[in-house]
Amino acid sequence: EVQLLESGGGLVQPGGSLRLSCAASGFTFNTYAMSWVRQAPGKGLEWVSSISDSGVTADYADSVKGRFTISRDNSKNMVYLQMNSLRAEDTAVYYCAKNWDYDILTGYDYWGQGILVTVSS
Amino acid sequence: DIVMTQSPLSLAVIPGEPASISCRSSQSLLHGNGYNYLAWYLQKPGQSPQVLIYLGSIRASGVPDRFSGSGSGTDFTLKIIRVEAEDVGVYYCMQSLHTPLTFGGGTKVEIK
Repeated sequence: EVQLLESGGGLVQPGGSLRLSCAASGFTFNTYAMSWVRQAPGKGLEWVSSISDSGVTADYADSVKGRFTISRDNSKNMVYLQMNSLRAEDTAVYYCAKNWDYDILTGYDYWGQGILVTVSS
Repeated sequence: DIVMTQSPLSLAVIPGEPASISCRSSQSLLHGNGYNYLAWYLQKPGQSPQVLIYLGSIRASGVPDRFSGSGSGTDFTLKIIRVEAEDVGVYYCMQSLHTPLTFGGGTKVEIK
């Protein structure tokens, strides 16, 4: 059974940093791209970032480019999202998602339960 | 960026009746491999999104056959041939042909 478990969320002040983690299990982790998608309170879904199976290729939404960094550790079946210079508009539930292929240009077949990040003073 | 436009914004359906949701993209989603890079997701109340359809028309594993996806290029449709109470939630289309990957604004389906 595929499981994706996010951790690391919480309340942070504007300008602060957080690192989200996603522990994956139930599939051959190093053969699939992974992604982060967020949902602001009461709003729709927004793609944040994706990383290829090997970690060589990554891409970001313009809204987070230069502030967020996605990475993965295939030896630990983990994917991370380092979030710096956080803004109020980054407040959202962040979902870890498994892409259905190795490439970042694919959709998602499994989603985590999501974790809330609140940026507020 | 590719803009995804869904209609209607909301839909109230009698159980057992059909429902249809439209998704239009501002650019063609047809890949050179012949597949449309369009997926449909359902986010049930209080839950994470779940995939229904990928590559335009391929039903994901475990998805009931009352759901179907069709269309090509820029116009796509999700159809539910007989809506059930468990189908309530917000439906999203998403393109994955180009980054940034983009979602439609969502269609809320309720039961009458």
